This record gives sequence, C-alpha cells and structure tokens, in this order.
Amino acid sequence: AQKVTQAQTEISVVEKEDVTLDCVYETRDTTYYLFWYKQPPSGELVFLIRRNSFDEQNEISGRYSWNFQKSTSSFNFTITASQVVDSAVYFCALSDANYGGSQGNLIFGKGTKLSVKP
Amino acid sequence: DAGVIQSPRHEVTEMGQEVTLRCKPISGHDYLFWYRQTMMRGLELLIYFNNNVPIDDSGMPEDRFSAKMPNASFSTLKIQPSEPRDSAVYFCASNAAGQTFTSGNTIYFGEGSWLTVV
Repeated sequence: AQKVTQAQTEISVVEKEDVTLDCVYETRDTTYYLFWYKQPPSGELVFLIRRNSFDEQNEISGRYSWNFQKSTSSFNFTITASQVVDSAVYFCALSDANYGGSQGNLIFGKGTKLSVKP
Repeated sequence: DAGVIQSPRHEVTEMGQEVTLRCKPISGHDYLFWYRQTMMRGLELLIYFNNNVPIDDSGMPEDRFSAKMPNASFSTLKIQPSEPRDSAVYFCASNAAGQTFTSGNTIYFGEGSWLTVV
C-alpha cells in the first residue's frame, strides 16, 4: 500500500531561519511521482513541485529546495531564509503512474503547519 | 488561462438537505478528480473521471454521495441527504495525461468548496 508520512505536525520558526519539512513515502511501485503542495490560510492548494521516481536530482527554486533520496524513501523540502508569507500548511503527496498516464490519484501526507514569526 | 473553477465557495446547509457542488475543469484536461479535506482524515480522493467516465469511486464514503460528469467541462458532486459529518472542504482537480512517464503534467486544484452542515 502507498503511504506518505509527514512526521512534523507543526513547526514554528523566526523569520530568516532555514527550515526543512520532512516527507517519507512508501510504495511498491518502481514508477511513481512525488509532489509538494502549499495550502495558505486562504485555503487553496498551490502546486510547488513534481518529481518522477527516475529523477533524483535535487532542485532549487529561489528560496525553496527539494532533496529526493530513493535510498531512504524521502523527499524533503527546505525553505531558506523563511519569510512570514511562507506560513502555510505544506503537503507531500505520492501518486503512481498507472492511471493511464495521469498522476492525479494523490496520496497525501497529513501536512506540516509552518508558522513563520516576524 | 482560467484554472479549475468550483462553486459554491462556501455553503451552509441544514442536515437532511441536498447539496450540489460544481466543478469546471481546465479546458483540454481529460482527468477530473474530487477530493475531500477534513481534520480527521486529511485530504482523500473520492472519485475520478477520465474522458467523462467514472474510473474509480472507491473513495466515495457512502451511497449518499454521487458524482457525475455529463460533459468535458462540467462535473457535480452531490450529497443527499447531507449530514453534519459531511462538513469539509471539497476540492476538484484536473490534469491531462502525460505523453511519457517523464513528461507528466501538473495537477491543478480548484479553490475548494467549504461545506458546513448544521
């Protein structure tokens, strides 16, 4: 069975601190996708990144970076120099590639609530 | 480009009433998904369609829930009769199947319909 674990329920940091959100996943599939979504207080789900299981390259996008390690089944997300606007709930998600090419059957983690204080 | 459009954004209804949530996917997307978010269960997939055909409804909680997709640009999720435990945020999402495993496509979520059943 597929499963995503985000062990950190809540994290609180002070602005400009770096913070890493952990994500551990379980799947028996060899082909799969991993995602991160942001849910700000307004409630919408904002797509941040998608990774396929063959691509273990780390990715950096501005202050955001992601570390994908198949050996530990982890897909961690780091925010550098955090800002108040980063305050949100962050979800890690997993999908397989067996739905006719769609990746929309997402298995979500419970989310990590990040609070960045000024 | 318009994203996934959901209506209503907020609904408060009395127990026993029928509730209909609506979704317009992104034009050209052939997959449509309905997700539900609750504090207890987090984000979970209810049902998804491919080319207007329901493919997997195993996440639909019970017979009180039904979903339809009469055409490529419209879907409904209906709850009849509604109960207080149905109070949740209901998200619609859509994406297009990727041509290859590595291409993939982003899954776009609507802003959600916040349902309160009193």
